[in-house]
Amino acid sequence: AQSVAQPEDQVNVAEGNPLTVKCTYSVSGNPYLFWYVQYPNRGLQFLLKYITGDNLVKGSYGFEAEFNKSQTSFHLKKPSALVSDSALYFCAVRPYILTGGGNKLTFGTGTQLKVEL
Amino acid sequence: DAMVIQNPRYQVTQFGKPVTLSCSQTLNHNVMYWYQQKSSQAPKLLFHYYDKDFNNEADTPDNFQSRRPNTSFCFLDIRSPGLGDAAMYLCATSRDVAGGQETQYFGPGTRLLVL
Repeated sequence: AQSVAQPEDQVNVAEGNPLTVKCTYSVSGNPYLFWYVQYPNRGLQFLLKYITGDNLVKGSYGFEAEFNKSQTSFHLKKPSALVSDSALYFCAVRPYILTGGGNKLTFGTGTQLKVEL
Repeated sequence: DAMVIQNPRYQVTQFGKPVTLSCSQTLNHNVMYWYQQKSSQAPKLLFHYYDKDFNNEADTPDNFQSRRPNTSFCFLDIRSPGLGDAAMYLCATSRDVAGGQETQYFGPGTRLLVL
């Protein structure tokens, strides 16, 4: 069975500083990895995903994530945090499958990012 | 813009009174999902439709039902809401192709309050 771990419930960072939100995964076979962001009382917004190829994936709003197969990690990063980045971030994984039948994701428990002035 | 729409955004119902939440999409995706999310926890998949095929998660209570009359619309019916069913309900859609790399796109959610 696949699983995702987000070891930090909350990450605090000062505006302008780099931020990292951690994610590790467990899956049989090749993983597809996703990051979503959720603002209060809103749905999940897609940020980026890793499918194959370059281990550094660039996404929306200046976010990027690095896929590390040996460490089974997919940490979310941003070089310079903004107060408006404060939100709940979810990592998700899905293994490669041969046939259709629904794109079932397994989500982590979420990390609350707080960016302060 | 292509999108996933959920109505209403906020729904108040009484204990035991049936309620229906709706979702529509303009993305023409063949897969639609319903998730339940409580208190900033991870979304929990209730069920999904792959075209017209309904797929229920093993731990989804019988109290929750769904209908998909056409590609664009999907409904979540809660037959007898209990206080524990108060949550944010998220609809999502995706294309589904072999491999599974397609992104799920979420609607803004409906927050359900049970009195």
